[in-house]
Amino acid sequence: GAGVSQSPSNKVTEKGKDVELRCDPISGHTALYWYRQRLGQGLEFLIYFQGNSAPDKSGLPSDRFSAERTGESVSTLTIQRTQQEDSAVYLCASSLQDRSPLHFGNGTRLTVT
Amino acid sequence: RKEVEQDPGPFNVPEGATVAFNCTYSNSASQSFFWYRQDCRKEPKLLMSVYSSGNEDGRFTAQLNRASQYISLLIRDSKLSDSATYLCVVTTSYDKVIFGPGTSLSVIP
Repeated sequence: GAGVSQSPSNKVTEKGKDVELRCDPISGHTALYWYRQRLGQGLEFLIYFQGNSAPDKSGLPSDRFSAERTGESVSTLTIQRTQQEDSAVYLCASSLQDRSPLHFGNGTRLTVT
Repeated sequence: RKEVEQDPGPFNVPEGATVAFNCTYSNSASQSFFWYRQDCRKEPKLLMSVYSSGNEDGRFTAQLNRASQYISLLIRDSKLSDSATYLCVVTTSYDKVIFGPGTSLSVIP
């Protein structure tokens, strides 16, 4: 079946603009995660959705970052007033249930100029 | 102290060598454990889950020591295609998934 799908695959934006990144999880996966990975660095947790529970937003770096998920489907990560330090690969992952392995999308490579 | 720690390497080993990676985690209530591999400029991919009894998948063996809060990955008969970054992953009791910083492996011909 289809894996986790992210779009766009690449995004170049000017400093100060807003961007929206999209993630389509694997059908039936209740858990959805967003991570950020800067060049040469490890994965940085951003936010976690599980079913209809309140999301765990503890990893969002500032109030410029927000994310939504509709039920157990698509999620969007929004970055407002982008800064150069936001440049990174944003990875989305889904899992069948808590404590199951994560399956990652190909990521969105964001470049803020 | 970081929640999940790994030796960053790099490990440079010849083809055919055996190499071992270690990982420690700080939360004693952690629930699930995995090893992922990440190739350059690609997304992480699941290599194997880690169980208390230890588990093996071909050339790869994973071990978990809950008492010492320690996870290991052993790769036997290394291949060039094993070159990647290996990520230790821990799921906490509150379902947060924490990735270690990764250990870089280069297998040299």
